[in-house]
Amino acid sequence: DQQVKQNSPSLSVQEGRISILNCDYTNSMFDYFLWYKKYPAEGPTFLISISSIKDKNEDGRFTVFLNKSAKHLSLHIVPSQPGDSAVYFCAASAHNYGQNFVFGPGTRLSVLP
Amino acid sequence: DTAVSQTPKYLVTQMGNDKSIKCEQNLGHDTMYWYKQDSKKFLKIMFSYNNKELIINETVPNRFSPKSPDKAHLNLHINSLELGDSAVYFCASSPRTAPNQPQHFGDGTRLSIL
Repeated sequence: DQQVKQNSPSLSVQEGRISILNCDYTNSMFDYFLWYKKYPAEGPTFLISISSIKDKNEDGRFTVFLNKSAKHLSLHIVPSQPGDSAVYFCAASAHNYGQNFVFGPGTRLSVLP
Repeated sequence: DTAVSQTPKYLVTQMGNDKSIKCEQNLGHDTMYWYKQDSKKFLKIMFSYNNKELIINETVPNRFSPKSPDKAHLNLHINSLELGDSAVYFCASSPRTAPNQPQHFGDGTRLSIL
């Protein structure tokens, strides 16, 4: 039972263009969402988060959008750079679950020079 | 000056053996975790400790036993290893067990059972 889904296993984008990574969730109790970035042979690194009281959060080239009615969030990277090539994990939690984050399976982003 | 470090990075062993994975964090965090990343790449939480006390214990075989000698360390001991235990195990830490605290991960331990 996948509560957090990332339906695109991989995505290729040209350098300088926008990358859009999508995430869907099923549990309406989720109220906090994070994106992690992972390079090979390294652990996931926190990238950006959003609370359910917001619909957008921005940090430099990274913006996360949340559509609660659709139970959907997306990560936009503009402009994409070759160093952004990595696996991106979406994760969700509910305040009454404490620190029990549920992760999606990840999307591998390749930014082509 | 690695923030969350795990050893070993790779572990290859026979079915039936007992092995341990060590984790240490130098961030001063109160809470530590173990995750398992299976063949389908899902990261699933196994255990969470806050100040050496067990907080989360997901449905994990009792062959897996976490041990936290102090709040900077959380080791994972696995008895009677089985083929299905092959996975990458990640240790993580966060400042406290409040929601909305991003976790800092180690680089993982790839466990292969022959």
